[in-house]
Amino acid sequence: EPEVTQTPSHQVTQMGQEVILRCVPISNHLYFYWYRQILGQKVEFLVSFYNNEISEKSEIFDDQFSVERPDGSNFTLKIRSTKLEDSAMYFCASSDPGGGAVDTQYFGPGTRLTVL
Amino acid sequence: EDQVTQSPEALRLQEGESSSLNCSYTVSGLRGLFWYRQDPGKGPEFLFTLYSAGEEKEKERLKATLTKKESFLHITAPKPEDSATYLCAVGRASKIIFGSGTRLSIRP
Repeated sequence: EPEVTQTPSHQVTQMGQEVILRCVPISNHLYFYWYRQILGQKVEFLVSFYNNEISEKSEIFDDQFSVERPDGSNFTLKIRSTKLEDSAMYFCASSDPGGGAVDTQYFGPGTRLTVL
Repeated sequence: EDQVTQSPEALRLQEGESSSLNCSYTVSGLRGLFWYRQDPGKGPEFLFTLYSAGEEKEKERLKATLTKKESFLHITAPKPEDSATYLCAVGRASKIIFGSGTRLSIRP
């Protein structure tokens, strides 16, 4: 069964460093998303991406964040200068274009980001 | 403001003891209600999508129902492997908004 994959599973970085989190969405999906979950809290939406541009972003997704689809299979989230409060699980998701309703999003296993 | 509220926060059941989890929501322009299962340290695993009031879906011991203001996840004769956090989420524009989840624990 097709699934979303993410690498690395765990990333440790120093405050102020740049990190890139990588995702391979399900192959025939065209919508891509990033969410994050701080330990013990809700899953929070960061950004949605379609047709090589951002569809929607949350207040969390400020100028230090960026997304890119560098090739036909990968989808990346870059954090330019990490802060302690960026420590969280980051989930990538993808969905199949459908009708008018929001399509079901399928999530990857996550990358645990630890900022020291 | 869009809101998703799940209750109870935690639920402990004996194996075989059926129960229901609640998800109440207020969202403008609902575009789907989703149930996911999340195990510790893992990503949300898709269970169900419901689009309109009155809709029901079933999978093994789980059944999800939807009204105009809330959704229920019924679990029938649960087993220890059903222990997990169950997340409710609503679709809004191009994103989904999650509730805090219900931590379900099934004792053998």
